[in-house]
Amino acid sequence: SYVLTQPPSVSVAPGKTARITCGGNNIGSKSVHWYQQKPGQAPVLVIYYDSDRPSGIPERFSGSNSGNTATLTISRVEAGDEADYYCQVWDSSSDHPAVVFGGGTKLTVL
Amino acid sequence: EVQLVESGGVVVQPGGSLRLSCAASGFTFDDYAMHWVRQAPGKGLEWVSLISWDGGSTYYADSVKGRFTISRDNSKNSLYLQMNSLRAEDTALYYCAKGSGSPPRAYFDYWGQGTLVTVSS
Repeated sequence: SYVLTQPPSVSVAPGKTARITCGGNNIGSKSVHWYQQKPGQAPVLVIYYDSDRPSGIPERFSGSNSGNTATLTISRVEAGDEADYYCQVWDSSSDHPAVVFGGGTKLTVL
Repeated sequence: EVQLVESGGVVVQPGGSLRLSCAASGFTFDDYAMHWVRQAPGKGLEWVSLISWDGGSTYYADSVKGRFTISRDNSKNSLYLQMNSLRAEDTALYYCAKGSGSPPRAYFDYWGQGTLVTVSS
């Protein structure tokens, strides 16, 4: 089955740029989606189709995907961005398709 | 406004059964695939199951295949998850999620607040 690898944690100072990676075999050939989950809350979609932002998501959130790594970039990080972030793809490589999530990355704002 | 409201989560003994429900509103329910996603306490997200807009296609994670059954009633704007032969490792918060896009580009654009299932003796 397809595996997505995320760093367990990323720390960044307010106002700086955070980059959260999601590694997978030839992930650049897949569509990657990103979710933000704050403590005690349901996940919220922040990026879909690698780099598209849903309405209401700040432009500070952006995404890219190439080769074996997809990246969620958060510019001008704010305290309110502190959350867990998950990447997600659809895996159709096996005999039955499935949704795959990365293990999640905890973003800490210093 | 899209709303997804899950219900049915309780404490159940190992080997027992449970049926979760999700009431949907604010969108044309029978236009979209729907999913169940779970999250064990302190752990990450795990996809559980998908059902197509008309119920004609269903998919399951290997961890639940043969034990869980997803279904929907478009006349009631409702999604269900029948859970049988429950195990301790099925303990989790179960989210109902609205699908968007089509495989292999599918994603979840709205999530409910979840219902807690605890499997314990």
